[in-house]
Amino acid sequence: SYVLTQPPSVSVAPGKTASITCGGDNIGSKSVHWYQQRPGQAPVVVMYYDSDRPSGIPDRFSGSNSGNTATLTISRVEAGDEAGYYCQVSDSSSDHVVFGGGTKLTVL
Amino acid sequence: EVQLVESGGGLVKPGGSLRLSCEVSGFTLTSYTMNWVRQAPGKGLEWVSSISRSATYIYYADSVKGRFTISRDSAKNSLYLQMNSLRAEDTAVYYCAKFSGSYDYFDYWGLGTLVTVSS
Repeated sequence: SYVLTQPPSVSVAPGKTASITCGGDNIGSKSVHWYQQRPGQAPVVVMYYDSDRPSGIPDRFSGSNSGNTATLTISRVEAGDEAGYYCQVSDSSSDHVVFGGGTKLTVL
Repeated sequence: EVQLVESGGGLVKPGGSLRLSCEVSGFTLTSYTMNWVRQAPGKGLEWVSSISRSATYIYYADSVKGRFTISRDSAKNSLYLQMNSLRAEDTAVYYCAKFSGSYDYFDYWGLGTLVTVSS
């Protein structure tokens, strides 16, 4: 089965840039989607199809995907960005949805 | 306004059964692939099952295949998850989630319902 690998945690100072990676075999050939989940809340999509932002998501959020790594980048990080972030793909070989293990973003 | 509201969670003994429901509004249930996603306490998201728009294609995670059954009732605007032979490791918040129409990502989620499997 397809596996997505994320770092368990990323820390960043306010106003700086955070990069959250999602590794997978030839992930660049897949569409990667990203979710933000604050404690006690349901996930919310913050990026879809690698680099498209849903309405309401600030342009501080951006995404890229190439080779074996997809990246969610958050510029000018704010305290409110502190949350868990999950990448997701659909594995066409199994027709299963796959999530990465999640990354907890801590704003210092 | 799109809404998904789960119900049916609770405490159940190992080996027991539970049926979760997800009542939707603001869209037509049969026009989108619908899913169940779960999250064990303090853990990450785990996709559980999906049912396609036509209900022709139904898929399950290996961890629940043979024990869980996804279904829907368009007349009741509801999605279901029948869970049998429950195990302690099935303890989680279960979310109902809608796929977008264009891509395989979840554009709407319910608030979740907690299932606890314990003796």
